[in-house]
Amino acid sequence: AQSVTQPDARVTVSEGASLQLRCKYSYSGTPYLFWYVQYPRQGLQLLLKYYSGDPVVQGVNGFEAEFSKSNSSFHLRKASVHWSDSAVYFCALSAPGGYKVVFGSGTRLLVSP
Amino acid sequence: DAGVTQTPRHEVAEKGQTIILKCEPVSGHNDLFWYRQTKIQGLELLSYFRSKSLMEDGGAFKDRFKAEMLNSSFSTLKIQPTEPKDSAVYLCASRPTGGDTGQLYFGEGSKLTVL
Repeated sequence: AQSVTQPDARVTVSEGASLQLRCKYSYSGTPYLFWYVQYPRQGLQLLLKYYSGDPVVQGVNGFEAEFSKSNSSFHLRKASVHWSDSAVYFCALSAPGGYKVVFGSGTRLLVSP
Repeated sequence: DAGVTQTPRHEVAEKGQTIILKCEPVSGHNDLFWYRQTKIQGLELLSYFRSKSLMEDGGAFKDRFKAEMLNSSFSTLKIQPTEPKDSAVYLCASRPTGGDTGQLYFGEGSKLTVL
């Protein structure tokens, strides 16, 4: 079975601080992995994706994520957050060649001034 | 380019009413998804269409939820009859067939409140 776990429902960081949002997945092989962001009253937007190769992938707005097969993780990072990064972040997984996308429960990020 | 368009953005219904939510996917996208988003359950897949054919009908949502693709550029989600537990945001997403698996393009959602 495929599943995605985001253990932190809420994260608060100060503007300018570094950020890590955690994501653990369950899948028998190597899945496709994604991070999406949802700003208030908007749909989800793709931040970055991992299919294969270099385990560190770069996304938009300075975000990056690192895939770890040994830890079944795909954590999202940013070196210095801005107040505009406040949003809900979703980690997602799909099977190569499959159609279904499984989402985690989301992490609400609040960046304080 | 127009993204995914969902209407209405907000809907308030009385228990037992029938409501219809609408979605226009990105032009040229042949895969269309309906999701329900709640704080407790997160995103739940309601239905999935490929080239207008229903590929998944969401299992537990079958009895009162019916999604249709009337043509390649228009889909509806009917909830009949509505119940208060249906209060949620309903998201529509599209993707080009054969495109990056998982790279979905979402609409802004329709927020349903059932009294």
